[in-house]
Amino acid sequence: GENVEQHPSTLSVQEGDSAVIKCTYSDSASNYFPWYKQELGKRPQLIIDIRSNVGEKKDQRIAVTLNKTAKHFSLHITETQPEDSAVYFCAASIGNQGGKLIFGQGTELSVKP
Amino acid sequence: KAGVTQTPRYLIKTRGQQVTLSCSPISGHRSVSWYQQTPGQGLQFLFEYFSETQRNKGNFPGRFSGRQFSNSRSEMNVSTLELGDSALYLCASRDHRGDKAFFGQGTRLTVV
Repeated sequence: GENVEQHPSTLSVQEGDSAVIKCTYSDSASNYFPWYKQELGKRPQLIIDIRSNVGEKKDQRIAVTLNKTAKHFSLHITETQPEDSAVYFCAASIGNQGGKLIFGQGTELSVKP
Repeated sequence: KAGVTQTPRYLIKTRGQQVTLSCSPISGHRSVSWYQQTPGQGLQFLFEYFSETQRNKGNFPGRFSGRQFSNSRSEMNVSTLELGDSALYLCASRDHRGDKAFFGQGTRLTVV
């Protein structure tokens, strides 16, 4: 069945360092991969996404890479800041089921000043 | 544009009761999906509605149901509540012509 594995479950970095979160998906028909940031007590917020016809996408300090062959995708945050501290979720969906997102288990990122 | 709005924000119910949650999507968005978020299971897909029709369904028992109205507002209903139904219920609004899904702030349901 559809499954998304996310690692690590917790990640602690010093301010200014980079953070990388990795996800693996099972369904080769998956073609859309969003990342959400959820601060404590708040809604998940879409921070970046990528479609399967693109290998990499960057938005300021955030980038996502996709390896379709290995069914891996990763979130890269550079120059981390304390306000980056949150839980990050990766997800995958299949084109004709766009409203159905399969989520990873989440990564709790802590950025220490 | 106003964001996705869910009501109520908090609910406390007793085992065996039923509950109805509401979600108003972003204006113009016709797809509404529902998710259950718990510390143990994470974010799990419940169902998606588009143009008043259920288009996708997750692996939840039949006690979980939903519907969508002609103005795209959606409701989900949980009957015969169990303690394990305590969770944050999130809805996500999507323009069916695109991929991006935007979440509401959620309804925190506590079953006692």
